[in-house]
Amino acid sequence: EIVMTQSPATLSVSPGEGATLSCRASQSVTTNVAWFQQKPGQAPRLLIYGASTRATGIPARFSGSGSGTEFTLIISSLQSEDFAVYYCQQYNNWPPITFGQGTRLDIK
Amino acid sequence: EVQLVESGGGLVQPGGSLRLSCAASGFTFSIYSMNWVRQAPGKGLEWISYIGSSGTMLYYADSVKGRFTISRDNAHNSLFLQMNSLRAEDTAVYFCARVLGAPDYWGQGTLVTVSS
Repeated sequence: EIVMTQSPATLSVSPGEGATLSCRASQSVTTNVAWFQQKPGQAPRLLIYGASTRATGIPARFSGSGSGTEFTLIISSLQSEDFAVYYCQQYNNWPPITFGQGTRLDIK
Repeated sequence: EVQLVESGGGLVQPGGSLRLSCAASGFTFSIYSMNWVRQAPGKGLEWISYIGSSGTMLYYADSVKGRFTISRDNAHNSLFLQMNSLRAEDTAVYFCARVLGAPDYWGQGTLVTVSS
């Protein structure tokens, strides 16, 4: 099973600033990584797939990068609606499909 | 508009059974694979099952293998999860999700509580 490890667990950032979230895979998952945003009481929303492709309707301030075992989600100029929990997921070697434990992005 | 609506959750005693449903609309259901993913209260996301578009390819997480069964009815645009021998640790919100590489659309989830 591939373990996805996200860091940091919590990130406090001021609105208007940028945020960098990291995700590390226990072995190579090529670029088969997705990023999701989840707000309280809501379903996860797909932000990024294929490590760097924005999903339909996702603003350009969200960008993803990486390949192999190291992945990054960058949110530039944080808006109030961006404060949420973010999960990475690998879909390269499955079953099982595996998620990271999440990074909580808080308002500073 | 793609819509996925789960139903069938509720309170069940340990050892009991529940059948979850997911009604799909706004896309050609029969050509997409589907997942069930769950989230225990205050916890992260856990993939639990996958079904291919025709219903013949099935996968399960070890945590539910032998107890849960995924199925689909393409004629009625519906996905199901039969859950047997339920345990307290199965308490979670259960989401169905369409698969296009990654899960691209998710339902709002249905809460399953396993408690005596």
